[in-house]
Amino acid sequence: DSGVTQTPKHLITATGQRVTLRCSPRSGDLSVYWYQQSLDQGLQFLIQYYNGEERAKGNILERFSAQQFPDLHSELNLSSLELGDSALYFCASSVSRTKQETQYFGPGTRLLVL
Amino acid sequence: AQSVTQLDSQVPVFEEAPVELRCNYSSSVSVYLFWYVQYPNQGLQLLLKYLSGSTLVKGINGFEAEFNKSQTSFHLRKPSVHISDTAEYFCAVSDLNSGNTPLVFGKGTRLSVIA
Repeated sequence: DSGVTQTPKHLITATGQRVTLRCSPRSGDLSVYWYQQSLDQGLQFLIQYYNGEERAKGNILERFSAQQFPDLHSELNLSSLELGDSALYFCASSVSRTKQETQYFGPGTRLLVL
Repeated sequence: AQSVTQLDSQVPVFEEAPVELRCNYSSSVSVYLFWYVQYPNQGLQLLLKYLSGSTLVKGINGFEAEFNKSQTSFHLRKPSVHISDTAEYFCAVSDLNSGNTPLVFGKGTRLSVIA
């Protein structure tokens, strides 16, 4: 158990819908990262937040957005869902964002868009 | 832009045999390199990372990797594998500005250890 929790574990929805994925980082970790793992695209870095502020952006679609709240949990919002958005979405956390810090990954949320 | 190529999508190996999982990267700037393991139905776990210094990096579970700048490679090795090493392994790269955030991942190598 990495200490990073993600809810829900599984999510099934329809095209065009909107969903919210939640991530609670390890106690004391200020940085949160989101990744997408799909059969087509493999593993992709989406976005990083540090203490409530966006710090780095990867291959995140405009239909997707994220935020980190004052209690440091984070939410990833996916809207106008398409079949290709079906994937495993991982959250990770670390104490800060320096090179010395190790990221700890949550178990992921598996999203299926029908 | 950076890219990572994992040359083998699947690697079967007998228990207690050595294994090497290959990773090559492409980047116009200096990079940090990572290896992650993903066990079935679990998240990623960091095995090891190269930031600077010695090119031979030792990680958890007896794994090690060697950074070769001239060949732009970061191959993962273990001298004797166990059944429990059966998993998917991902090589990743980030640039110096991104710190510990792996930005680009390889497609993964599925290691199957056979008893």
